[in-house]
Amino acid sequence: GDSVTQMEGPVTLSEEAFLTINCTYTATGYPSLFWYVQYPGEGLQLLLKATKADDKGSNKGFEATYRKETTSFHLEKGSVQVSDSAVYFCALSGRGADGLTFGKGTHLIIQP
Amino acid sequence: GAGVSQSPSNKVTEKGKDVELRCDPISGHTALYWYRQSLGQGLEFLIYFQGNSAPDKSGLPSDRFSAERTGGSVSTLTIQRTQQEDSAVYLCASSLGFDWKETQYFGPGTRLLVL
Repeated sequence: GDSVTQMEGPVTLSEEAFLTINCTYTATGYPSLFWYVQYPGEGLQLLLKATKADDKGSNKGFEATYRKETTSFHLEKGSVQVSDSAVYFCALSGRGADGLTFGKGTHLIIQP
Repeated sequence: GAGVSQSPSNKVTEKGKDVELRCDPISGHTALYWYRQSLGQGLEFLIYFQGNSAPDKSGLPSDRFSAERTGGSVSTLTIQRTQQEDSAVYLCASSLGFDWKETQYFGPGTRLLVL
């Protein structure tokens, strides 16, 4: 079946550091890929998405590119802020699948 | 506009009791999903509705779990004879249509604790 693998962390960075959170997937065909974020005490929010190969999703300074050849969708940000501290989930939606398949989540901590 | 709402936000119950969790999707969204978030299992998909129909119930953890949706809107997830392993956050999401490209919008969740 479909699966998503991501580093679980916690990942601790200093403010203004460069961020990469790796995400790789296994799926039949060409799924849609998503990054969701869960801020402390809040619900899941869509951060960005890409629905076909080579698409780049971007939002709030975060970017991720759908790489079919490496089955990856790594999340990047050039300069993180304390307010980016949250749990980040990579997810996929496959054709014919009923719901989203999520990774375990990466806990990101940004220190001032 | 209003997002997905869920009630109650927190529920504490005794082992063996039945509980009902409610989800109100975004107006006009035809697809509705239930997920469970727990420390051990992460985020698990449970069931989806296209309109009032749930074509596949195989994601429900056991036959103590059931879900229904009426009027193409509100959905309830019912857990009968609750067990301690049912303790988790139950999340509801909705999307405009049922398509693998559609974004699912999540509610705040119901935190269930079974004592």
